[in-house]
Amino acid sequence: DTAVSQTPKYLVTQMGNDKSIKCEQNLGHDTMYWYKQDSKKFLKIMFSYNNKELIINETVPNRFSPKSPDKAHLNLHINSLELGDSAVYFCASSQDKIPGQVFYEQYFGPGTRLTVT
Amino acid sequence: GIQVEQSPPDLILQEGANSTLRCNFSDSVNNLQWFHQNPWGQLINLFYIPSGTKQNGRLSATTVATERYSLLYISSSQTTDSGVYFCAVGGTDKLIFGTGTRLQVFP
Repeated sequence: DTAVSQTPKYLVTQMGNDKSIKCEQNLGHDTMYWYKQDSKKFLKIMFSYNNKELIINETVPNRFSPKSPDKAHLNLHINSLELGDSAVYFCASSQDKIPGQVFYEQYFGPGTRLTVT
Repeated sequence: GIQVEQSPPDLILQEGANSTLRCNFSDSVNNLQWFHQNPWGQLINLFYIPSGTKQNGRLSATTVATERYSLLYISSSQTTDSGVYFCAVGGTDKLIFGTGTRLQVFP
């Protein structure tokens, strides 16, 4: 059973389009994250949600809108895609129940490679 | 924010060799993880080690929190160890990743 899953695995689209990436975790975790890995392999946090509430929004353009319908899902919607959005997007989760307290191990999904042409 | 530095940036080994990867960080942390990103792009959890020493097969890790560094040891390396090794640290709410060590193991 996959612990953290993402769909789709690959996404190729044109500039200006709107697209979504879905993430689901079956670990019973309370906190979920989105990270972006650029072409130089640098990984950086974008958002985190704890029990469906936004905790971190790390200076990401507002074309990116995360949505958490329940604590097992955190989806990423991107409007008006730009060339610079091309990257690998990773979803992650951890069992942190209360933000700012014990910081548990994070588990990552397989990634979604987004290519904007 | 917390700064994370990894060394060396690149490492080329022959199968069977041992290696040590280092991660320095600039502030106290509550979370430190080592990951292996394989050639297919998957991020594989190796260790959750904010302090102390752990071992898992040919891999072991040590974090000296008071001196703000962590070491990842790979013994008897295999070609399947190739990839990028990331150290990531966190204070309370997010992981800050280092720039990674790219390891290539040749037969």
